Order: sequence, then structure tokens, then C-alpha cells
Amino acid sequence: EVQLVQSGAEVKKPGESLKISCKGSGYSFTSYWIGWVRQMPGKGLEWMGIIYPGDSDTRYSPSFQGQVTISADKSISTAYLQWSSLKASDTAMYYCARSQWLTVYWYFDLWGRGTLVTVSS
Amino acid sequence: QSVLTQPPSVSAAPGQKVTISCSGSSSNIGNNYVSWYQQLPGTAPKLLIYENNKRPSGIPDRFSGSKSGTSATLGITGLQTGDEADYYCGTWDSSLSAGGVFGGGTKLTVL
Repeated sequence: EVQLVQSGAEVKKPGESLKISCKGSGYSFTSYWIGWVRQMPGKGLEWMGIIYPGDSDTRYSPSFQGQVTISADKSISTAYLQWSSLKASDTAMYYCARSQWLTVYWYFDLWGRGTLVTVSS
Repeated sequence: QSVLTQPPSVSAAPGQKVTISCSGSSSNIGNNYVSWYQQLPGTAPKLLIYENNKRPSGIPDRFSGSKSGTSATLGITGLQTGDEADYYCGTWDSSLSAGGVFGGGTKLTVL
């Protein structure tokens, strides 16, 4: 089955670090881009950034550049989203999603179920 | 504030038709393909329409998409209560801060 499986919910304190994961299966992981999308409570979707596991080419939205790091380990078909110092405002659901294209033809055709990150003191 | 503008909400009765608009600019919708996503309550988004008007396998033909200039439209006919969801448009933005962008989302209520 073609799917993206995300890591489980996290509860962290402000200032702590965190790395969440997204494992692809059932398709050639290195032939598709993997993106990350934030959804804050009761809000819409925000495109954070995207990585091509084949060569680790990574692009960030200006809103998230410097705030998070996107990486991938193609040997285990897994992409990551990490924070070095969490803030309460990072509390959100984070989705990973797959795209075959970038730029003109971009769309996400496969989504993970999401990882809920709660940051609270 | 989203780069793409959608109405916050639309509503219609079961069996009726509804359209959801998505307005952008020449740096995004005007020169790139549009996709649409359905997010049912408590679930992850799902692709409904890609490349302006194509439906992935398994998406019924009650759902359609179109694009004209810097705007796009999602149409849903034969509304069902199960269509109650949030709907998002998406496209690439080719400005200096190039990347994917989404609309703010539209809540569809089937009365």
C-alpha cells in the first residue's frame, strides 16, 4: 500500500528540541518530493517547505526559513521536520505530503495522517 | 493572510450545486496549475483536483475544477451531507519567495 506514516503526538516544553518523522512506503521514495504543512488549531493549511530525498534538495517558505529544518534519510525512506527550540506558537498539527512535481505542476497527491505537536509549560 | 483568497464559508441544500472560488495573482494562479483539497473533520487533507481540472482515481465526477486568468473554481454537484468539509485551493507561487501556497479554506455546510 502506498502511504506516508507519521510519528506519534508529542508534548513538549518551550525551549525543547523536537524531530518528527514521515516514512514513505509502497513507492519509490527517492522519486518524489516530501513536503511539510502546518495547521494551527482551527486554522488553515500553511506550506512550510519541501525536500527531494533523492538528492536532499530542500526549499523553505520564507515564513519558516530558519525556524525549522527539513531533512531526509533515503536509506530508510524517512523525512524529518525538526525544531531546535520550540515555542508555544509551534503548537499545531503537522502533515507530511508527497509531490511528484515542483513549480508549475506542483500538488500533493498523498498525505500522512498528521503529527500533533503541543508546546506548553 | 493567505496569498490565495477563498470565501470563508458556503452552504447549500442536499442535491444542489455549489461553487467555491479561489482568487490569486499572475505570480501564482495566473501562471501555474491549481489543485483542490478536501479536509473532512478530524482528518488529513485529501487531493480532489489537480492541474486545474483533473480528478485522481476514486474522486467522483460530482467534483470539478476550472481556471480562468488569476482565479479558479471548485464545483460540487449533487451535494451530500458527507461533503461537509473544509476545502482548500493550492498552487505554486513563482515570486521571489517561491513555494507552494494555499487558500485560507472554505467551510462547506450542507443544510
